[in-house]
Amino acid sequence: KAGVTQTPRYLIKTRGQQVTLSCSPISGHRSVSWYQQTPGQGLQFLFEYFSETQRNKGNFPGRFSGRQFSNSRSEMNVSTLELGDSALYLCASSLMGDPQETQYFGPGTRLLVL
Amino acid sequence: QKEVEQNSGPLSVPEGAIASLNCTYSDRGSQSFFWYRQYSGKSPELIMFIYSNGDKEDGRFTAQLNKASQYVSLLIRDSQPSDSATYLCAEYMNYGGATNKLIFGTGTLLAVQP
Repeated sequence: KAGVTQTPRYLIKTRGQQVTLSCSPISGHRSVSWYQQTPGQGLQFLFEYFSETQRNKGNFPGRFSGRQFSNSRSEMNVSTLELGDSALYLCASSLMGDPQETQYFGPGTRLLVL
Repeated sequence: QKEVEQNSGPLSVPEGAIASLNCTYSDRGSQSFFWYRQYSGKSPELIMFIYSNGDKEDGRFTAQLNKASQYVSLLIRDSQPSDSATYLCAEYMNYGGATNKLIFGTGTLLAVQP
């Protein structure tokens, strides 16, 4: 079974631009979560989508948004990029998003904002 | 105070020894805990999940949870150089509604010396 895939793997943007990242979950998984990982803050939860609905949300500004499609693929968007948005963005999928389920992580998208 | 605290390390142990990784958390209501391993440049992968007090063993790994002391640990027996990685402790916080989320510590870097 194919794992979680994320595209693109690397991105370089400049301040003020916007960016869209894509995540394809494991086949059959309906829950997709997004995380931001930085050396200083570690892994921080952005949001979780299930059946095309945002079900959970972390403490990030409204510049960070996402959506999920009917095939469970998910995208996240960051508008008006700031230098501090430079990070590794990881998505993870699980069957239903229940707390006792394993979340499988994708390889991540490394975003550099100049 | 961060919700999940880990010593950043590095924790250095000789090959064949027991590595002990520790994690404390602040929310007494936290229900379940996860240990993830992350190799440099890779995405996290789940090692153990624990939700009840006591020990849970899986091969060379033992997770211990003490809810009264708000403490979770991971023991790795017969440590191997291939165990060298960052170990992330995470707690599942269930507040209901839109605030259920997985909170990660910043991780402990383990170095197993051959």
